[in-house]
Amino acid sequence: DAKTTQPPSMDCAEGRAANLPCNHSTISGNEYVYWYRQIHSQGPQYIIHGLKNNETNEMASLIITEDRKSSTLILPHATLRDTAVYYCIVREDSGNTGKLIFGQGTTLQVKP
Amino acid sequence: DTEVTQTPKHLVMGMTNKKSLKCEQHMGHRAMYWYKQKAKKPPELMFVYSYEKLSINESVPSRFSPECPNSSLLNLHLHALQPEDSALYLCASSRARGGSVDTQYFGPGTRLTVL
Repeated sequence: DAKTTQPPSMDCAEGRAANLPCNHSTISGNEYVYWYRQIHSQGPQYIIHGLKNNETNEMASLIITEDRKSSTLILPHATLRDTAVYYCIVREDSGNTGKLIFGQGTTLQVKP
Repeated sequence: DTEVTQTPKHLVMGMTNKKSLKCEQHMGHRAMYWYKQKAKKPPELMFVYSYEKLSINESVPSRFSPECPNSSLLNLHLHALQPEDSALYLCASSRARGGSVDTQYFGPGTRLTVL
């Protein structure tokens, strides 16, 4: 079973920041938080991951609470092309292969 | 470059047909994965190959037969499928080098319809 809880859907106005929450209250010390998104009928796209510290890349920022029980993915200036299902996944990362267990994700609708 | 390619993009087959899905990556990744995604559902893992050896089989029916001929290629052979096997089949790959974060990168998928 997925170890994360996400709201099923969210709306965001184009040009505004999209803040997608994720709860992972049972996360263990060696588990990372990963975010992927899937635009309709395409393959999932890797966005960002983190362990404890906040992370930022060219796509998004990841804010992880100090107790690591929840996180927020931030798309700073959402565009219509950011409309997608966003998946928050926690997994142990020892550099070995392992499965991603996808939950139901959050469907983000960016509106003009 | 984080590209995983999959062919064909679409496939329609009868229940008595034999077909194959192909996945390719040239990122030097040593792990490759097959996932299945039914409509309006999240992807679910089917198989994992690590260094060309099958390391995870998620109790997938034998009508799905994976093959990893080399570190860049992953095939999924299909035989005697059922209409309920219609889905998007996703391939992914990752470095699998140990001691570092192992991010999976996905291909665009093959949309399979079984008649």
